[in-house]
Amino acid sequence: QSALTQPRSVSGSPGQSVTISCTGTSSDVGGYNHVSWYQQHPGKAPKFLIYDVNKRPSGVPDRFYGSKSGNTASLTISGLQAEDEADYYCCSYAGRSTFVFGIGTEVTVL
Amino acid sequence: EVQLVESGGGLVQPGGSLRLSCAASGFTFTNYWMNWVRQAPGKALEWVANIKQDLSEKNYVDSVKGRFTISRDNARNSVYLQMNSLRAEDTAVYYCATWGSDGPFDFWGQGTLVTVSS
Repeated sequence: QSALTQPRSVSGSPGQSVTISCTGTSSDVGGYNHVSWYQQHPGKAPKFLIYDVNKRPSGVPDRFYGSKSGNTASLTISGLQAEDEADYYCCSYAGRSTFVFGIGTEVTVL
Repeated sequence: EVQLVESGGGLVQPGGSLRLSCAASGFTFTNYWMNWVRQAPGKALEWVANIKQDLSEKNYVDSVKGRFTISRDNARNSVYLQMNSLRAEDTAVYYCATWGSDGPFDFWGQGTLVTVSS
């Protein structure tokens, strides 16, 4: 149950794209197509962004895109906007109805 | 509208106990697994525990096994977390969250702060 590895921070200018990686093992990210992503603004509860690697819940803009290759999942934010500045967490199913989160990535809009 | 409202947090001494509650509304509670997720100050999210709709399955992160117990009352649309033998490292905001058909943690409460300190 070790936390998934994410870069501590990424940054981009408005309109640009940024990609956040999320690296686990064959026991979590690599073993299941059940990776989800969450956005958290300071002092707020997380918000559900992506599930099952690349599916968006209703209401989430298509600027947010998820993918996975092997033991690494990724979240790409295109057309970066000021409101996208937040912390982002990946999460993977880890078997037997358990989950593991990533260490979190701070996205800064320059 | 889905609402999850946590309560029961506060200051407790090391070795003490606390019971968190989460009242759910706006959805069919018995259709969902329920989870507790915590976040220590300035730290990452950590999944803590979950419980199946019919109470037949409960799961915990290794660090709380034997100390925390998750339960639910489907008649009251509520989920609980009994926390015993609390340690300083249990200090965190505790969120309850659903596990819906779209995926885990699709809805979240606002969280309740637990501080373990002497």
